[in-house]
Amino acid sequence: SQQGEEDPQALSIQEGENATMNCSYKTSINNLQWYRQNSGRGLVHLILIRSNEREKHSGRLRVTLDTSKKSSSLLITASRAADTASYFCATAARGVSSGSARQLTFGSGTQLTVLP
Amino acid sequence: NAGVTQTPKFRVLKTGQSMTLLCAQDMNHEYMYWYRQDPGMGLRLIHYSVGEGTTAKGEVPDGYNVSRLKKQNFLLGLESAAPSQTSVYFCASSYLAGAEAFFGQGTRLTVV
Repeated sequence: SQQGEEDPQALSIQEGENATMNCSYKTSINNLQWYRQNSGRGLVHLILIRSNEREKHSGRLRVTLDTSKKSSSLLITASRAADTASYFCATAARGVSSGSARQLTFGSGTQLTVLP
Repeated sequence: NAGVTQTPKFRVLKTGQSMTLLCAQDMNHEYMYWYRQDPGMGLRLIHYSVGEGTTAKGEVPDGYNVSRLKKQNFLLGLESAAPSQTSVYFCASSYLAGAEAFFGQGTRLTVV
């Protein structure tokens, strides 16, 4: 079952605009991560936000986390055509017993298209 | 420093054939994972390993086996391929459970 669900499934914007993607999850988490996947390629880690953090920045990326609503958002400012990709949120569960991997659970992704 | 390398990149199998996908990482990571990615489904965890000699089942383990004989390698086997196993397979590794994962480029497998 998918822990994270992204919204929207697809987003198309003009270059220079901001893009916002949302992620909702179901259980308590240790952290939430965002990944990017270019067509035909592997996933690349963008940013990690811990459960006790509310906001984090990295370059043109801004991530927020609301644990009371079990949701996160990824904002890409001043988008570029090169930002066209699929974006996935992934959650690492909290409270997993020692000796087992706190493996990441991925959502189904948002396909972002930035038009030049 | 290659990161995570998967071989092969593409493969076509006939139903009932077997094959092994190889994943190698050069980052000395303890944790390694095999995912499959299907359209509209995101990534689903097949099997994972928390260290050399260990393996564990993920969300969709049926029809697959894995081995971690060496820390740097994680093998995914299909004993008798089925069309439902047509997918893109990704290997990943991380230095801690739940930490940033590093992904390979993927293996596109088609079972006819």
